Amino acid sequence: NAGVTQTPKFRILKIGQSMTLQCTQDMNHNYMYWYRQDPGMGLKLIYYSVGAGITDKGEVPNGYNVSRSTTEDFPLRLELAAPSQTSVYFCASSLGTSSYEQYFGPGTRLTVT
Amino acid sequence: AQSVSQHNHHVILSEAASLELGCNYSYGGTVNLFWYVQYPGQHLQLLLKYFSGDPLVKGIKGFEAEFIKSKFSFNLRKPSVQWSDTAEYFCAVFAGNNRKLIWGLGTSLAVNP
Repeated sequence: NAGVTQTPKFRILKIGQSMTLQCTQDMNHNYMYWYRQDPGMGLKLIYYSVGAGITDKGEVPNGYNVSRSTTEDFPLRLELAAPSQTSVYFCASSLGTSSYEQYFGPGTRLTVT
Repeated sequence: AQSVSQHNHHVILSEAASLELGCNYSYGGTVNLFWYVQYPGQHLQLLLKYFSGDPLVKGIKGFEAEFIKSKFSFNLRKPSVQWSDTAEYFCAVFAGNNRKLIWGLGTSLAVNP
């Protein structure tokens, strides 16, 4: 199993550009999550999904969108990039129901200038 | 609202010193508890978890944690740290029907050789 994979690893965006961060898991997990991590601020939940077709906002959803058309994929979309979105983004998944242990992807380091 | 508090933001130890990182949560019902570790430049990995049973939980790399229900605490311990334990440590709690983990802000541990 590859676990949780994320692409790209690094990206530099100009203000106003858009991009999609990809996340795929091959563990047949129901739950998937997107976090951003800023120095000293811990993990902030952006969006999460409890199954295909179901998504919900986390703590910091503004400026982001998600979709969950399949169990495996949970892309995160930035429509109009802003410097405040410079961060490291982690995708995670968990089985849900009987186990809420989260498995993390390697992260995407995004810089908006 | 449910919350997780990690008391120590930065800890500096010498090799072979003992480690204890504090974690307290606010929720009166049944909880699942986790400690994750993030080595420099890497993603989060599970150190150990508590679901039920023996409140003293042993994890990987010699770490253990004790769940004390009366104190709403889940402190992480290691008798003798190594330089390779330099990392950021996160406590997380799954409580109620949130369907997501509540995260502490993390503790940065630096171990001097």
